[in-house]
Amino acid sequence: DTEVTQTPKHLVMGMTNKKSLKCEQHMGHRAMYWYKQKAKKPPELMFVYSYEKLSINESVPSRFSPECPNSSLLNLHLHALQPEDSALYLCASSQARNSPYEQYFGPGTRLTVT
Amino acid sequence: GIQVEQSPPDLILQEGANSTLRCNFSDSVNNLQWFHQNPWGQLINLFYIPSGTKQNGRLSATTVATERYSLLYISSSQTTDSGVYFCAVNNAGGTSYGKLTFGQGTILTVHP
Repeated sequence: DTEVTQTPKHLVMGMTNKKSLKCEQHMGHRAMYWYKQKAKKPPELMFVYSYEKLSINESVPSRFSPECPNSSLLNLHLHALQPEDSALYLCASSQARNSPYEQYFGPGTRLTVT
Repeated sequence: GIQVEQSPPDLILQEGANSTLRCNFSDSVNNLQWFHQNPWGQLINLFYIPSGTKQNGRLSATTVATERYSLLYISSSQTTDSGVYFCAVNNAGGTSYGKLTFGQGTILTVHP
């Protein structure tokens, strides 16, 4: 089973709201990733967790706060977002962080900030 | 950082036609993946191919790592092949282990 699940599928939030995105995998993978994809652009890496520890933060604003409570779960906490943060947020996982390991992506959460 | 260029940016085909998509990259890689992104945004893994040749049904891919390019072949295209095709790489020897850098994608439209 190579499935990564994400909830919710769609999210609309105001600029003063706090919300969370959730990602889950049961493949025994020890690396998990958040990517952001704007319309008509390729995905861009935001964060990498390796063995539940944050190992890469691609200079993401602090209004995005990742959390990895255990090896199967990855959350992205959102607070005081801006309309330009509207995008598709993709979660991925792989066996480990060090290449070469294939990454598998979830279906994404489509976020709209009003 | 590593640069990834895909060509062509757009491709329009009639059902049944064959096509070749290209991915050039600027540095050595230890991970190269081809994805198909469907209209709902799901990235579907097509190939994990840092080197060599693989085939899966009507699709095949070849990566020539020494010359820094990869090709994705689609034969007998179907309307369900429509979508965006991405090439993504991880830079061997770089410090951002695990980071996939994506090309800009090829938008494929297959007409019945």
